[in-house]
Amino acid sequence: EIVLAQSPATLSLSPGERATLSCRASQSVSKYLAWYQQKPGQAPRLLIYDASKRATGIPARFSGSGSGTDFTLTISSLEPEDFAVYYCQHRYNWPTFGQGTKVEVK
Amino acid sequence: EVQLVESGETLVQPGGSLRLSCAASGFIFSSYEMNWVRQAPGKGLEWLSYISGSGDTIYYADSVKGRITISRDNAKNSLYLQLNSLTTEDTGVYYCARDWVTDTTNWFDPWGQGILVTVSS
Repeated sequence: EIVLAQSPATLSLSPGERATLSCRASQSVSKYLAWYQQKPGQAPRLLIYDASKRATGIPARFSGSGSGTDFTLTISSLEPEDFAVYYCQHRYNWPTFGQGTKVEVK
Repeated sequence: EVQLVESGETLVQPGGSLRLSCAASGFIFSSYEMNWVRQAPGKGLEWLSYISGSGDTIYYADSVKGRITISRDNAKNSLYLQLNSLTTEDTGVYYCARDWVTDTTNWFDPWGQGILVTVSS
């Protein structure tokens, strides 16, 4: 089973700041990695797929990078609605998720 | 608009079974692969099961294999989940999620709103 480790567990930032979230896979998943955003009481929403492609309707301030085992989700300038939990997920064989990074207001 | 709406029993006794439904609308249901994903309270996401559009191909997570059955009725635009021998560890929000097929692989998009299932006596 491929394990995804996300860091940090919590990121405390202010609106307008840049957020950098990390996801590391226990073995290569090539570019088969996605990022989801989950707000309290809501279902997850697909943000980034294939490591770097934005899903439909996702603002340009969200970007993804990486391949193999190391991946990054960057939010260039945090908006109030971006404070949420973010999960990475691979689809290399059967799907697994990272444990999540909570982006909270500092 | 694509919609997925989960329904079913929300309080189940330990040792019992849960059966959930997911009603799909806004797309050609039979053309899409579907999944169940759950989330324990305050915890992360756990994929449980996948079913192809025709229902011929099914995969289960090792953590629930032997207790779980996924099925679909394309005539009713509905996805189903049955989970047996429940313990308190099965408490959580259960989501159905459509597979969105890209050039490379599939991703979960969209998701239903989820249904909270509590296993308790």
